[in-house]
Amino acid sequence: ILNVEQSPQSLHVQEGDSTNFTCSFPSSNFYALHWYRWETAKSPEALFVMTLNGDEKKKGRISATLNTKEGYSYLYIKGSQPEDSATYLCASKIQGAQKLVFGQGTRLTINP
Amino acid sequence: DARVTQTPRHKVTEMGQEVTMRCQPILGHNTVFWYRQTMMQGLELLAYFRNRAPLDDSGMPKDRFSAEMPDATLATLKIQPSEPRDSAVYFCASGLFPDWNTEAFFGQGTRLTVV
Repeated sequence: ILNVEQSPQSLHVQEGDSTNFTCSFPSSNFYALHWYRWETAKSPEALFVMTLNGDEKKKGRISATLNTKEGYSYLYIKGSQPEDSATYLCASKIQGAQKLVFGQGTRLTINP
Repeated sequence: DARVTQTPRHKVTEMGQEVTMRCQPILGHNTVFWYRQTMMQGLELLAYFRNRAPLDDSGMPKDRFSAEMPDATLATLKIQPSEPRDSAVYFCASGLFPDWNTEAFFGQGTRLTVV
C-alpha cells in the first residue's frame, strides 16, 4: 500500500443495523491514523486519532481499531441511526512526505 | 470557541478572473493545509505550510495557483486565471504538527464556481 485507501466507497445500511468499513494505509514509518466524519455541507470533524498498534477507541456507538503492522483500521458503528449518515474519512502520514493524506472516504447512508 | 475561519464562503466568478481565498487558522497552530474537494479524489491536498513556510505544494497546478502565508493569522490561496475546472469546495485546515497525535481542524470551506 502506497497510499491511503478506503472501502467500500459507499454503503447503505438499515436503521438499527451495525456496520463497519476499512481504511488501509502504508504500514512502514507509521505515525498516526486519523478518522474524520464529514456531513454534507459541513466541514470534516475529527472522530479519533490513533497511534498505537492494537489501539481501540470508542465514542458513543462508534469505535475504531488499528493494526499498524498490516496497515489497516476498521471503523464500527453499532445500531446505526439516520444522523450517522455522512462520509467517513481516514487520513495518515505517508512515507517520505510530511503531510496528512486522506482516503477517498466511505459515504454512509442510513435508511429509516 | 476556537475555529478555522475561511472567507468567502461562496464565490462565483467568470473564467479568467483572479480568485483569492483566505483562511485564518486557529491561534497557536503551526501548520496550515489547503485541500480541494473533488468528486473523483475526495479531499485532494494542494499545499501546506509549517511555521508559515511552504513545505509542499506539489498537489497544486503551479501555472495558475499560488499559496502564501503572509503572517501567522492568514493563509491565502489564489487562482489566476481561473477556469471552470477549478470549480470545487476549497478547505483550509490547521493543526499542531508534526505532533501527529493531534487532529486537524477544518474551516467551513469556500465554494468556488467559475462560469
